[in-house]
Amino acid sequence: DAKTTQPPSMDCAEGRAANLPCNHSTISGNEYVYWYRQIHSQGPQYIIHGLKNNETNEMASLIITEDRKSSTLILPHATLRDTAVYYCIVWTTDSWGKLQFGAGTQVVVTP
Amino acid sequence: DAMVIQNPRYQVTQFGKPVTLSCSQTLNHNVMYWYQQKSSQAPKLLFHYYDKDFNNEADTPDNFQSRRPNTSFCFLDIRSPGLGDAAMYLCATGEGYETQYFGPGTRLLVL
Repeated sequence: DAKTTQPPSMDCAEGRAANLPCNHSTISGNEYVYWYRQIHSQGPQYIIHGLKNNETNEMASLIITEDRKSSTLILPHATLRDTAVYYCIVWTTDSWGKLQFGAGTQVVVTP
Repeated sequence: DAMVIQNPRYQVTQFGKPVTLSCSQTLNHNVMYWYQQKSSQAPKLLFHYYDKDFNNEADTPDNFQSRRPNTSFCFLDIRSPGLGDAAMYLCATGEGYETQYFGPGTRLLVL
C-alpha cells in the first residue's frame, strides 16, 4: 500500500505557481520523497526527489518539512503542458524497495 | 533523444494469441522494470531484472514472462492474453535501485 496521501485533484491558473501537497507521516529515515508525473497516455516522468533538504531543478522545487512528515512540490510557473497526474512516492534506495504509486493528484492547468 | 524506447506504441492481439512487447534503453542502466497500468489506475510492478537476475512480484500471473538477452533490451511475453490483460505496459530503467526512468508505454488491446 502507498505510504503517501495526496489530494485527488487541484486546479491551477496558467502562469501561477502550483503547490502540490503530500503527507508521508510514516516515512523512515532512509526513505526519499520522489515526485513523478504522468501526462495522459504517456509514461511517468521523473520530476525531483529529496531526503531532508529542499531541492530545486529546472522543472520544480521540493520543500520537505523539518520532521519529514510532509512535503510540497512547487511548479513555479504552471503551463497547460503541466496538466497531469502527479505522484508523490516514498522510496528507499538502500535495498530493494518497490516504487509504489498511489492515486496521485490530478492537476489541471487552465488558461 | 529517446532514452527508454518501447515498441510498438500500440499493439492489438487476439484472445489467447501470444504477444511480445519490447523495450530498449540507451542509458546502460543495469535494472529494467515492467509495469502494468490499467485504465484510471496507478502503475503496478510486474517484475524487474537486476542485471541478469530476474525478480518476479508475488502477485504477477504466470501468464506474464520476461526475457533480457542483454543490457539494452528487455521483453515482456504474454503467453495467452485475456481480455483483462488489456492495459498500458510501461518499461522503466534505473542505475541500481536509484531513480527510475520510464518509456512511453505500449498500449495493448485484446480482441
